[in-house]
Amino acid sequence: AQKVTQAQTEISVVEKEDVTLDCVYETRDTTYYLFWYKQPPSGELVFLIRRNSFDEQNEISGRYSWNFQKSTSSFNFTITASQVVDSAVYFCALSVEYGNKLVFGAGTILRVKS
Amino acid sequence: SAVISQKPSRDICQRGTSLTIQCQVDSQVTMMFWYRQQPGQSLTLIATANQGSEATYESGFVIDKFPISRPNLTFSTLTVSNMSPEDSSIYLCSSGWTSKDTQYFGPGTRLTVL
Repeated sequence: AQKVTQAQTEISVVEKEDVTLDCVYETRDTTYYLFWYKQPPSGELVFLIRRNSFDEQNEISGRYSWNFQKSTSSFNFTITASQVVDSAVYFCALSVEYGNKLVFGAGTILRVKS
Repeated sequence: SAVISQKPSRDICQRGTSLTIQCQVDSQVTMMFWYRQQPGQSLTLIATANQGSEATYESGFVIDKFPISRPNLTFSTLTVSNMSPEDSSIYLCSSGWTSKDTQYFGPGTRLTVL
């Protein structure tokens, strides 16, 4: 069975601080796909990134960066110079079959204060 | 990316009644998924709906409570039957993701049961 753990229930930071959201996954499959989603108060899910298990290269997109480490089964997400608009719930998710269902972590509530 | 729409966007229903949620995708997709997000919780998969076959339900979800239709490759419905306040949730439909898509969740249906 697959499992995604986001141990941080809630994180509060002050604007311009850097913040890292942790994600640890469990699967016996050698091929899998990892996702991060943002859910603002409006409720819609906003796709942030998808990473394949065979691509361990870290990724940077503007203020966002992701660190994928298969050795520790982690896929952490860092926001640099956080902004109030980053306040949301962030979900890490796992899929073990291309195009198929996702297993979500519990989510981390990020509060960025001005 | 495929565009996914849901109707209704929100509803307030009385205990004991049923609500049917519609999900429309602007392109043909093989798999569609229905997720539930209870207040303050993560997303949990209810069932997978493939066109031409019965939906496959996850543990804890049954067809009598959540009947699903999948009449064609662009449309699906989820009915929440004999509702109770515990059914108050956001219900999201999703298409099977591909490497070309970045947004494969609908905007969600926010259901409140009184």
